[in-house]
Amino acid sequence: SQTIHQWPATLVQPVGSPLSLECTVEGTSNPNLYWYRQAAGRGLQLLFYSIGIGQISSEVPQNLSASRPQDRQFILSSKKLLLSDSGFYLCAWNRGGQETQYFGPGTRLLVL
Amino acid sequence: DAKTTQPNSMESNEEEPVHLPCNHSTISGTDYIHWYRQLPSQGPEYVIHGLTSNVNNRMASLAIAEDRKSSTLILHRATLRDAAVYYCILRGYDMRFGAGTRLTVKP
Repeated sequence: SQTIHQWPATLVQPVGSPLSLECTVEGTSNPNLYWYRQAAGRGLQLLFYSIGIGQISSEVPQNLSASRPQDRQFILSSKKLLLSDSGFYLCAWNRGGQETQYFGPGTRLLVL
Repeated sequence: DAKTTQPNSMESNEEEPVHLPCNHSTISGTDYIHWYRQLPSQGPEYVIHGLTSNVNNRMASLAIAEDRKSSTLILHRATLRDAAVYYCILRGYDMRFGAGTRLTVKP
């Protein structure tokens, strides 16, 4: 069966510090991968998606970036965090042509 | 973009059925109707999806109106573990979740 991991589970970072959140998927190959952010009490905002290694599409221009160095690894990064980057970051995957997405446990980021 | 409308909150008693409505009057002919739920501090969890016919799985049932402009997620016997925010979305590749319906289950 497939599983999706995210770490860390929670993170407190000062403004201006760098960020690296990691997501990995097991039990499948060539997944589509997604990064979302969810503000408190709000819906999801798609940040990035990837259909293959090195292929990243950005949905929202901001100070975040994403990379996919390996088939089942998706990384969300920032060089300098802003207060507005606080939120719940979710990674998800699905197979090509499939609409249903499967979400990881999320990383709660607090920027102070 | 096709949009969905859901009540902000609903309450249910444990062991009773729950009907969660969703309106999607601008749905297009190829849009699937997806339901997810999100427990506190967890990622969303897929519940069910359908196109035209009613669907059943181990978690829930999905009743789709004949004109497809609305649908209802049915939890046959609510448990305390079903307390969550339930999201109805169209076009599963475009996960623009709205605020969803917060379901409270009372013992």
